[in-house]
Amino acid sequence: AQKVTQAQTEISVVEKEDVTLDCVYETRDTTYYLFWYKQPPSGELVFLIRRNSFDEQNEISGRYSWNFQKSTSSFNFTITASQVVDSAVYFCALNTYSGYALNFGKGTSLLVTP
Amino acid sequence: DVKVTQSSRYLVKRTGEKVFLECVQDMDHENMFWYRQDPGLGLRLIYFSYDVKMKEKGDIPEGYSVSREKKERFSLILESASTNQTSMYLCASSLQGRDEQYFGPGTRLTVT
Repeated sequence: AQKVTQAQTEISVVEKEDVTLDCVYETRDTTYYLFWYKQPPSGELVFLIRRNSFDEQNEISGRYSWNFQKSTSSFNFTITASQVVDSAVYFCALNTYSGYALNFGKGTSLLVTP
Repeated sequence: DVKVTQSSRYLVKRTGEKVFLECVQDMDHENMFWYRQDPGLGLRLIYFSYDVKMKEKGDIPEGYSVSREKKERFSLILESASTNQTSMYLCASSLQGRDEQYFGPGTRLTVT
């Protein structure tokens, strides 16, 4: 069975703080893919990143970075110098080689205040 | 850019009505998906399609059916709407099986 756990339900930070969103996954497959999506108040899910299980290199994109550690089954997301526009619900998701659909975590609601 | 559009942003229907939710993608993607999103439950897969006229049940298919007559269009049908189907419905598409999915803006359906 596949499962994604986002233990942080809500996080509140002040602008310019760094914040890390945790994601822990479970799967028995050796080939799998991990994703992060952002859902702003408008409602549309925006794709942020896709990672396969064979690539453990960390990824950086502007203020966003992702840390993938197979040893702890985690795929954490860090926003550096947060901004108000980062306020959204962030979802981590898992897709395995045996299926088409994404298994989503319950999401972490991030609020960035000025 | 990938564009996934949904026929309505907001919809209000009465119990027992037949409801059609339409989704169109413009990137020649093979796969299309319907999810519903509810507070505390996250996103749950209703149905998906990996080819024209092909469909597979997701986690919560009861009370729903789907239709994919053309590659770019995937319809979700509520045969007889019930109040427990009040939800946000999200359509998505992906090029191939394990690729990233691109989502439409969602349809917030209220059944009264």
